[in-house]
Amino acid sequence: GAVVSQHPSWVICKSGTSVKIECRSLDFQATTMFWYRQFPKQSLMLMATSNEGSKATYEQGVEKDKFLINHASLTLSTLTVTSAHPEDSSFYICSARKSGGNTIYFGEGSWLTVV
Amino acid sequence: AQSVSQHNHHVILSEAASLELGCNYSYGGTVNLFWYVQYPGQHLQLLLKYFSGDPLVKGIKGFEAEFIKSKFSFNLRKPSVQWSDTAEYFCAVNGDYGGSQGNLIFGKGTKLSVKP
Repeated sequence: GAVVSQHPSWVICKSGTSVKIECRSLDFQATTMFWYRQFPKQSLMLMATSNEGSKATYEQGVEKDKFLINHASLTLSTLTVTSAHPEDSSFYICSARKSGGNTIYFGEGSWLTVV
Repeated sequence: AQSVSQHNHHVILSEAASLELGCNYSYGGTVNLFWYVQYPGQHLQLLLKYFSGDPLVKGIKGFEAEFIKSKFSFNLRKPSVQWSDTAEYFCAVNGDYGGSQGNLIFGKGTKLSVKP
């Protein structure tokens, strides 16, 4: 079946540094990818919708200059958390929509801890 | 390893029929449970969630789910579906470790098609 790989699964970074999380569709092309984050005891929150070859669409309240999303190819979207702060520590998960259809596949998620 | 199983890949119903979508998980500890819906062309939306308390959870749009701990299940139900319920439904589970939580793991989804 279709697989979406997120990397890294776990990352610890220092405050003020930037960290990049990759979301890769391994065996299909994904025109659209979604980035979510989850805080403890909460449901997922959509951060942005990423469309290949165009700028991401950010949800209200999500700082586009802080959470940089790039979807340069049909198999890869990246989320870069710039100038990370401890409050950015969270679980980030992506999903990818297979091109030409509505089927959605989820990555396994990435834990970010900012110290 | 933790996993979430959604038994039905594609369910086709007529309007006004009752719906039950199965979700089973494999994890022996405390869990947080979610049902999400994704309408065509849109992002995930939360239907309902269970963290603790009454195992019968009511969500939006007339959906409910029952957590049966002994069966490791969290099935989604709706007494009477509408055409607008046509969407993909995802069950998801976090392990709950007191002050922290484990990865959010999704089932593969169940596509619901409701015939008008």
